[in-house]
Amino acid sequence: KQEVTQIPAALSVPEGENLVLNCSFTDSAIYNLQWFRQDPGKGLTSLLLIQSSQREQTSGRLNASLDKSSGRSTLYIAASQPGDSATYLCAVRTGTYKYIFGTGTRLKVLA
Amino acid sequence: DTEVTQTPKHLVMGMTNKKSLKCEQHMGHRAMYWYKQKAKKPPELMFVYSYEKLSINESVPSRFSPECPNSSLLNLHLHALQPEDSALYLCASSQESGGRRYEQYFGPGTRLTVT
Repeated sequence: KQEVTQIPAALSVPEGENLVLNCSFTDSAIYNLQWFRQDPGKGLTSLLLIQSSQREQTSGRLNASLDKSSGRSTLYIAASQPGDSATYLCAVRTGTYKYIFGTGTRLKVLA
Repeated sequence: DTEVTQTPKHLVMGMTNKKSLKCEQHMGHRAMYWYKQKAKKPPELMFVYSYEKLSINESVPSRFSPECPNSSLLNLHLHALQPEDSALYLCASSQESGGRRYEQYFGPGTRLTVT
């Protein structure tokens, strides 16, 4: 059974720091991995999608990597800002229409 | 347009009420999803419709009844809910072909409180 874990569960950093969020999955047979952010009480906003054949995706200050063989993905956020404060979730697509979400990392960027 | 809309934003209902949640997308996506999310937990998949047919039902109690009237609309009919069903209900859709296939887009959610 696929399990998706995110470490750390919570993180506070001062503004301007570069940071890395981690996502681990137990079964490497995935179609893709998607990173989301969620503001309190709101829906999920898609940040980056990495197909299983890809190693990396970039969007602005965000960079996501995927290492299927080791069951890991990282989300790198450069020059963090208070507006980056949110919960970050990774999700793996494990089969047709099946997605398993990670446990989430609550990020707080202090001004 | 990458928008998924959901109505209502908030819903309070008694355990004997019948209500419906609505989700709409106009991105041409052929897969639509219902998720349930409790506080400080990740979303949990409930149902998936693919090409207007129910593809996945994650053993959800029958008091939740999904419906997909057409390729743009998804409903979730609620009846005789329990207080533990209070949660954020999220709708999502995904494109199943082309360059950005399988990317899920989420709506803002409906905050449901069962009293």
